[in-house]
Amino acid sequence: AQSVAQPEDQVNVAEGNPLTVKCTYSVSGNPYLFWYVQYPNRGLQFLLKYITGDNLVKGSYGFEAEFNKSQTSFHLKKPSALVSDSALYFCAVRDVSNAGKSTFGDGTTLTVKP
Amino acid sequence: GAVVSQHPSWVICKSGTSVKIECRSLDFQATTMFWYRQFPKQSLMLMATSNEGSKATYEQGVEKDKFLINHASLTLSTLTVTSAHPEDSSFYICSAPKTVNTEAFFGQGTRLTVV
Repeated sequence: AQSVAQPEDQVNVAEGNPLTVKCTYSVSGNPYLFWYVQYPNRGLQFLLKYITGDNLVKGSYGFEAEFNKSQTSFHLKKPSALVSDSALYFCAVRDVSNAGKSTFGDGTTLTVKP
Repeated sequence: GAVVSQHPSWVICKSGTSVKIECRSLDFQATTMFWYRQFPKQSLMLMATSNEGSKATYEQGVEKDKFLINHASLTLSTLTVTSAHPEDSSFYICSAPKTVNTEAFFGQGTRLTVV
């Protein structure tokens, strides 16, 4: 069975500072990894994904994530946080052998203060 | 990116009534759609996998007779909450990937309140 862990419920950073939202995963095969963002009372928006290729993946709104196979991690990063980045972030892993069913982490609330 | 539209965005209903939520893929065909339930400040709990032209696959602990799913076409899946009770109040979200190795596209979510 696959699983995703987001060890931090909450991450607080000051505007302009770099941010990191952590994610570790467990899968039996090759990982298909995703990051999504959710604003209040809305569905999830796709940020970026890792399927294969370069370990550093660049996505929407200046976000990037680094796939680390040895540490089974896929941390989300941004060099300079904006107040508007404040939201709920989910890491997910896709099980391509099971109809593409996704397993989500518990989510991390990012708060960026001015 | 692709668009998945979910309707309604919010609904208030009386206890004992049924509520239907629609999920449409607007610019691609979705043979599979997923229905999730999300409690406040919690993660998404997969309820069921909706399969076009066949029965939905429900996750353990989800009552299939209470949460009826119909995937009648390649662009539409519906979730009907039957005989709703206050404990069914939640945020329901649908999603559909274009393929198994692409990102999923999510509907806007439906806030259901049962009074």
